[in-house]
Amino acid sequence: SQTIHQWPATLVQPVGSPLSLECTVEGTSNPNLYWYRQAAGRGLQLLFYSVGIGQISSEVPQNLSASRPQDRQFILSSKKLLLSDSGFYLCAWKKGNMNTEAFFGQGTRLTVV
Amino acid sequence: AQSVAQPEDQVNVAEGNPLTVKCTYSVSGNPYLFWYVQYPNRGLQFLLKYITGDNLVKGSYGFEAEFNKSQTSFHLKKPSALVSDSALYFCAVRDISNSGNTPLVFGKGTRLSVIA
Repeated sequence: SQTIHQWPATLVQPVGSPLSLECTVEGTSNPNLYWYRQAAGRGLQLLFYSVGIGQISSEVPQNLSASRPQDRQFILSSKKLLLSDSGFYLCAWKKGNMNTEAFFGQGTRLTVV
Repeated sequence: AQSVAQPEDQVNVAEGNPLTVKCTYSVSGNPYLFWYVQYPNRGLQFLLKYITGDNLVKGSYGFEAEFNKSQTSFHLKKPSALVSDSALYFCAVRDISNSGNTPLVFGKGTRLSVIA
């Protein structure tokens, strides 16, 4: 069966510090991968998605970036965090190029102080 | 363009009563529709989906949803609510005419509170 791992679960970082959140998927190959941000426990904002290694689509211009160095690894990064980057970050995957549901990781609560 | 509307920020229902969480969608073609549930500080859990076929879809935890093409709706329902159903519910859509690589579009969520 497929599983998705996202870490860390919680993170407190000072303003101006770098960020690296990691997401990995097991039990499948060539998945579509997604990063979402959820602010104040409400709606989901799609940040990035990837349909293959090295292929990143950005949905919202900001100081975040994403990379996919391996087929089942998706990394969310920032060189310098802003207070407004605080939120709940969710990674998700689904089978590539298929109209199926997406499966979500458990999320990372990021607080920028 | 595709979009989803969840018109209610909050739904309150007494335990044992039926519940409905509303969702309407807009796509240029035919829709694929999904419902997810989120418990506090957790990721989203898939509940059910409509792809094709029977308009009434049954999913996890006794939930069901009815696809209504004329009203462009996909309301989530449960005959008898439990306190443990209290959570944040998200509706999502993808246009069938889009590539399967196109991300889902989510509604803003509806908070369901079931009162004992």
